[in-house]
Amino acid sequence: GAGVSQSPSNKVTEKGKDVELRCDPISGHTALYWYRQSLGQGLEFLIYFQGNSAPDKSGLPSDRFSAERTGGSVSTLTIQRTQQEDSAVYLCASSLRLAQETQYFGPGTRLLVL
Amino acid sequence: GENVEQHPSTLSVQEGDSAVIKCTYSDSASNYFPWYKQELGKRPQLIIDIRSNVGEKKDQRIAVTLNKTAKHFSLHITETQPEDSAVYFCPPDMGRRALTFGSGTRLQVQP
Repeated sequence: GAGVSQSPSNKVTEKGKDVELRCDPISGHTALYWYRQSLGQGLEFLIYFQGNSAPDKSGLPSDRFSAERTGGSVSTLTIQRTQQEDSAVYLCASSLRLAQETQYFGPGTRLLVL
Repeated sequence: GENVEQHPSTLSVQEGDSAVIKCTYSDSASNYFPWYKQELGKRPQLIIDIRSNVGEKKDQRIAVTLNKTAKHFSLHITETQPEDSAVYFCPPDMGRRALTFGSGTRLQVQP
C-alpha cells in the first residue's frame, strides 16, 4: 500500500513569509508525528497527534509553529513569519498507534528560508 | 522527558568487521526499544526492535541486546558492508509520548 507522503518536497521562501507543509499518513494509522532535522543533525520532535486526543505540542519551538490534523488523517504544519533558522527538512511519520509501534516516515519537505 | 545517549557518536570500520552501537536511557518505564537507520538523504527506517521481555533479538546480520537493569541496549552489525553506512538512532519508547531520537551514531564502513 501507499506509504506516508509529504508535499511539497522542496520549498524555498523568503524570510517573513508563511509556509504550509502537508503530510498524508498511511491509511488507518491513528498516530501522526512531525519532526525537524537540520543538516547533519538528529531528529527534533515537534508535535504528535493521537486519534481524537489533544495533540502534544511540547516540541514546537515557538508560537510561529502550529499544526492541524483534519478528520484524523491529513496534517498540515504551518510556520508563520519564517526565519532563516527554520531552514531544515521537516519529516512526518505515522504509526498504527502511539506507543510501541513502528513509525513510518515520509520523504520529508526540505525548507529553505532566504 | 527521556534522556538518551548513544555511543559512539561516530564509528568507522573496515568492510567485514563488526560494529556495535550502545544506547543508554534514563526512564525505567521504557519497554520498547527500536533502532532506526537513516541513509544519507533518505528517510529513517526501522531496522530492528526489541521489547522489554526479551533480552536479545537477531535478524540476519543485525542483532539487538537489552540490559534493562543497566538501562542500555545495543545494536550489533556483523560482516559490515558499505550499504550499512548510515546514521543509526535509538529512541526508547515509554509508551506515553513520542520518541526521543537524539543525534544518532554515524557509521562509516570503509570498503
